[in-house]
Amino acid sequence: EEQLLASGGGLVQPGGSLRLSCVASEFFFHNYAMGWVRQAPGKGLEWVSAITDTGGDKFHADSVKGRFSISRDNSKNTLYLQMNSLTDEDTAVYYCAKGSDTSRPYYFDHWGQGILVTVSS
Amino acid sequence: EIVLTQSPGTLSLSPGERATLSCRASQSVSGSFLAWYQQKPGQAPRLLIYGASSRATGVPDRFSGSGSATDFTLTISRLEPEDFAVYYCQEYGSSRSFGQGTRVEVK
Repeated sequence: EEQLLASGGGLVQPGGSLRLSCVASEFFFHNYAMGWVRQAPGKGLEWVSAITDTGGDKFHADSVKGRFSISRDNSKNTLYLQMNSLTDEDTAVYYCAKGSDTSRPYYFDHWGQGILVTVSS
Repeated sequence: EIVLTQSPGTLSLSPGERATLSCRASQSVSGSFLAWYQQKPGQAPRLLIYGASSRATGVPDRFSGSGSATDFTLTISRLEPEDFAVYYCQEYGSSRSFGQGTRVEVK
């Protein structure tokens, strides 16, 4: 069964930075687009970022554009999310998700367990 | 950006009843690129439906999706105890936006 294991979350002060990692296993990571989706406490799902299979194209929601950067290392089966200039509105559980194809259009057919990021002083 | 509006916000039903969830898009969803996900408390979302009407692997046939353009529906023919959860629709052809969710709760 496909596995996605995220790490790197935790407590960070406003204005700070954090890098999330997501290690994939049990599927050919380099053949699929990937993405990050977040969920603020008690709220719904919000798409954050996406990247094509090769990493050649990257997309970010307007709410994080210029502050967050998605990347991947196919040799390590790992997806990343670099988060800078964090605000309390970025507090959420962040899910790493596997795309159904190499590039758009794709839905998320498998999700990791989620990792909590808390922005607070 | 395509905005998705789900209704109702909460659906109160009993096991065995039929659930009908709506997802309306602010503009036409090209290619019927519409997915439905189920989320239970403390768990990650799970894909149920893609392409508006195709069931994902392992999804019971009591779940069905329908619709096109701006109006989409997820139907659960007979609610089982494990179906009480929050359901989200997502447009994945352009904006990748999610609806705000519909909670299906026990009446």
